[in-house]
Amino acid sequence: AQTVTQSQPEMSVQEAETVTLSCTYDTSESDYYLFWYKQPPSRQMILVIRQEAYKQQNATENRFSVNFQKAAKSFSLKISDSQLGDAAMYFCAYRTPPGGNQFYFGTGTSLTVIP
Amino acid sequence: DAGVTQSPTHLIKTRGQQVTLRCSPKSGHDTVSWYQQALGQGPQFIFQYYEEEERQRGNFPDRFSGHQFPNYSSELNVNALLLGDSALYLCASSFPGVIETQYFGPGTRLLVL
Repeated sequence: AQTVTQSQPEMSVQEAETVTLSCTYDTSESDYYLFWYKQPPSRQMILVIRQEAYKQQNATENRFSVNFQKAAKSFSLKISDSQLGDAAMYFCAYRTPPGGNQFYFGTGTSLTVIP
Repeated sequence: DAGVTQSPTHLIKTRGQQVTLRCSPKSGHDTVSWYQQALGQGPQFIFQYYEEEERQRGNFPDRFSGHQFPNYSSELNVNALLLGDSALYLCASSFPGVIETQYFGPGTRLLVL
């Protein structure tokens, strides 16, 4: 079964600094999708960024970027110029290959942004 | 454009009771997935509905059942509630595609006493 591991239960970063959240996953598939979701205290899960496994280029969305290492099965999220609004729980998620419909989530990393 | 909506926002039940949670997908989406998120944990997949049929199911007992209506809205039913069913229940909708991305609702917080 696929598993997603987030080894950092909590992280903190100074405002305007950069922080990297780690995620590893286990799969025997070669084609799949990876996501980072943000869950603020309001509870609503918000998509931050997604990566297709067949693409070698790392995805980027404004201040958010990923470091996707397929061989190592690693998918880390880098947040640049951290803002107070970035404070939230961040979940890494794996989606089964095309034709599969299930998302697997990690246990999350709680990010605190220090003013 | 309304996003995914869920009702109710909070619910308190006692052991042995039954509960129904509701979800309306994002406009244009026809697939609904349900997740259980225990406190301090990531969401766990319960099942997914497409074309009014359960398309895939996670590792949850038969006490968890669902339904999808012709307008794509969905219900999650839980029978014979246990204390361990206390959690945040998230609904996510999507539109089938090469890069199927799920969009989540705000969730229903269920407390079983």
